[in-house]
Amino acid sequence: DVKVTQSSRYLVKRTGEKVFLECVQDMDHENMFWYRQDPGLGLRLIYFSYDVKMKEKGDIPEGYSVSREKKERFSLILESASTNQTSMYLCASSQGTSGRREYFGPGTRLTVL
Amino acid sequence: GIQVEQSPPDLILQEGANSTLRCNFSDSVNNLQWFHQNPWGQLINLFYIPSGTKQNGRLSATTVATERYSLLYISSSQTTDSGVYFCALSDGRRANNLFFGTGTRLTVIP
Repeated sequence: DVKVTQSSRYLVKRTGEKVFLECVQDMDHENMFWYRQDPGLGLRLIYFSYDVKMKEKGDIPEGYSVSREKKERFSLILESASTNQTSMYLCASSQGTSGRREYFGPGTRLTVL
Repeated sequence: GIQVEQSPPDLILQEGANSTLRCNFSDSVNNLQWFHQNPWGQLINLFYIPSGTKQNGRLSATTVATERYSLLYISSSQTTDSGVYFCALSDGRRANNLFFGTGTRLTVIP
């Protein structure tokens, strides 16, 4: 079975702090994704990566950056956390483009005070 | 981007009942998938179904791409089926960008 793990289940940070969310997958997938999920807005794509050191912006990249130094690991960085970044963050991975299936991690519920 | 609409938004069922969830989309699509998000927030991939019909136990899904809809059938529902069901897909221009519907919240009562 594909396993996608995220570094924290719950996280509380203060406004202005730098925040790192880590995601690791164990299936040698090419693609990795970061989403955020908010009530009434559903899931929205922040960034994705289709290869090591490659990244592309999703629908809501503002205020975020990402890093993919190794194939199995994809990090989401909040350079200066703000209260409007309080959300559930979900990481996913998949293989290929056509016929792919997304596999999600358990999520990190981030609260910024 | 592509529009994805799911119905109904909420559904309450007695255990053992059957249900049909619908996903309508506004354009030709790729990578149509159905997910179940359990009460703890974990998203589980149920089906990859850009066209045709697939079955997995009590669940089955059908996509009619030419008519721009997909259906998820749940038979003999159980309390563990409770949660939110999402349809997600990508359009032809940005294959890596999945657009999610707003979901159907299913509650199965014993």
